Amino acid sequence: AQTVTQSQPEMSVQEAETVTLSCTYDTSESNYYLFWYKQPPSRQMILVIRQEAYKQQNATENRFSVNFQKAAKSFSLKISDSQLGDTAMYFCAFMKHENTGTASKLTFGTGTRLQVTL
Amino acid sequence: EAQVTQNPRYLITVTGKKLTVTCSQNMNHEYMSWYRQDPGLGLRQIYYSMNVEVTDKGDVPEGYKVSRKEKRNFPLILESPSPNQTSLYFCASSLRGQGLPYEQYFGPGTRLTVT
Repeated sequence: AQTVTQSQPEMSVQEAETVTLSCTYDTSESNYYLFWYKQPPSRQMILVIRQEAYKQQNATENRFSVNFQKAAKSFSLKISDSQLGDTAMYFCAFMKHENTGTASKLTFGTGTRLQVTL
Repeated sequence: EAQVTQNPRYLITVTGKKLTVTCSQNMNHEYMSWYRQDPGLGLRQIYYSMNVEVTDKGDVPEGYKVSRKEKRNFPLILESPSPNQTSLYFCASSLRGQGLPYEQYFGPGTRLTVT
């Protein structure tokens, strides 16, 4: 079974600054995918960024980027130029690759609540 | 607009009174899933379905039932709700297929309180 650990329950950052959210995972799988989801106060789950484990290059999406360290089983999220709208709960999630091509469940961490302040 | 809808969005009920939370998607997705979200525990999968009439247990299935009679609908049934089922529930759906995992689209959530 896979586990995902987010060791920072809460974080705070000032507007326009950079913040990094940590995530580690444990798995015996060699092929898998990692995700960061954002959950604003509206409670909607929004996909922020995705990383394929077989890719060495770190994924980026505008102000969001990841630092993927496969050997260390670490997958941190960096938010640059933080904005008030980034205030949300952030969940790290793991999905194993299914050779049969079927969809697979997401295993989530416990979340990091990020507050962006003026 | 492509979306996953859930009803009701909020529900307060009493112990033992059967209830159903509906989930519907308009994207012709094969895969559908239910998660519950609890403070300090993140989201955990309850049940999932790979296609019509194909369902299976997730990590926390006790006390829940599901059915998949139509591709678009995947209701979550609590036959005899108990207070420990008070939670925020999410339905999600995605395509199936080879290659990259398709994005899972989440519904808006249902806040359930069982007294």
